[in-house]
Amino acid sequence: AQSVTQPDIHITVSEGASLELRCNYSYGATPYLFWYVQSPGQGLQLLLKYFSGDTLVQGIKGFEAEFKRSQSSFNLRKPSVHWSDAAEYFCAVGPSGGYNKLIFGAGTRLAVHP
Amino acid sequence: GAVVSQHPSRVICKSGTSVKIECRSLDFQATTMFWYRQFPKKSLMLMATSNEGSKATYEQGVEKDKFLINHASLTLSTLTVTSAHPEDSSFYICSAQTGNYGYTFGSGTRLTVV
Repeated sequence: AQSVTQPDIHITVSEGASLELRCNYSYGATPYLFWYVQSPGQGLQLLLKYFSGDTLVQGIKGFEAEFKRSQSSFNLRKPSVHWSDAAEYFCAVGPSGGYNKLIFGAGTRLAVHP
Repeated sequence: GAVVSQHPSRVICKSGTSVKIECRSLDFQATTMFWYRQFPKKSLMLMATSNEGSKATYEQGVEKDKFLINHASLTLSTLTVTSAHPEDSSFYICSAQTGNYGYTFGSGTRLTVV
């Protein structure tokens, strides 16, 4: 069965430091992979997605992610974190099932120290 | 870009009453919409997939009679929580599929049942 694992529940970094959020997936075919960000009490905003092609994907807000098939990973990175990046980050994989459902990881809560 | 409007953003209702949450695609037609429930500090749990003009497909364990979903037009899907109880209090988020594996999320509805 398809699944997504985000091993880190909570990460704290200092402003200006680099960031890497981990995501591992289990999927029977070539996956479509997504990273979303959620601010408190808000919906989800798409940061980036990978369907095919170049395995290094650039997204909004300076984020990037690298698809590594051999490791079944799609880690999110940012070279320099800003205080406004504090939020919940979700990795997702799809499609799943006949209606192209997304399967979400448990999320990683990012705190940024000044 | 594609915008999904979800209303209301917050609602408080008395136990035993019903609450309707609307999800509208503002500038595109959404054949398929998804309804999620999110518990505090938890990931998104897919409740059901709604397709315009047909019955919704519910995930295992989700009560169809408790959570009524209607997708009567290509721009509107509604979730009605019937006979709400305090355990139904949660954050509900809708999502519309846009084009080829694009997903746009609403801003969510915080439901509190007292």
